[in-house]
Amino acid sequence: SYELTQPPSVSVSPGQTASITCSGDNLGSKYACWYQQRPGQSPVLLIYQDNKRPSGIPERFSGSNSGNTAILTIAGTQTFDEADYYCQAWDNGGVFGGGTKLTVL
Amino acid sequence: QLQLQESGPGLLKPSETLSLTCSVSDVSGGPMNHDWAWIRQPPGKTLEWIGSIYNTGRLDYKASLKSRVTISIDTSKTQVSLKLRSVTASDTAVYYCARHQNYGELGDWFDLWGQGTLVTVSS
Repeated sequence: SYELTQPPSVSVSPGQTASITCSGDNLGSKYACWYQQRPGQSPVLLIYQDNKRPSGIPERFSGSNSGNTAILTIAGTQTFDEADYYCQAWDNGGVFGGGTKLTVL
Repeated sequence: QLQLQESGPGLLKPSETLSLTCSVSDVSGGPMNHDWAWIRQPPGKTLEWIGSIYNTGRLDYKASLKSRVTISIDTSKTQVSLKLRSVTASDTAVYYCARHQNYGELGDWFDLWGQGTLVTVSS
């Protein structure tokens, strides 16, 4: 079955740019999306179709997808961006990455 | 304006059947011709897609769960149901319903999520 791999954790200083990777076999041939989940809350869609933002999502969040890797980039990271981030693609069903905990310190 | 609310028993014994309902409301009164998914998240773990039901009536289930899962929708299309048979402790999770944006070759994603409901399986 298809698998998506994310680093368990990423740390970034406030105001800096954070990048979270998501790797999968030939992922670039599929569409990737990203979700943010704060503790105790439901996931929120951040990016769909590799690089599109739903209404209400700040421009600080951007995405790319090529080769075997999709990347979520968060510019000007702020403390309230601390959360778990999940990538997702579709391969005979929904497939989620293992999640990345973003720490801002 | 769509709102999703999951409901159902929070505690089950092994071998029982999990039955959850997702109530969908739209304060704008728009058409309810959406596609829906059930997704779960064991405590401290990642998200797992369970299955989807499309406005056409088509169903998709995760292969490893297919033998135990049934997803259905009522005729008014305001309640989406999930049944998972013969549960074990490994089925303990927060269960979410979500709107499934299905664009075929242009991708699939879940853009609206309910608050989730915790189901614990324990003897």
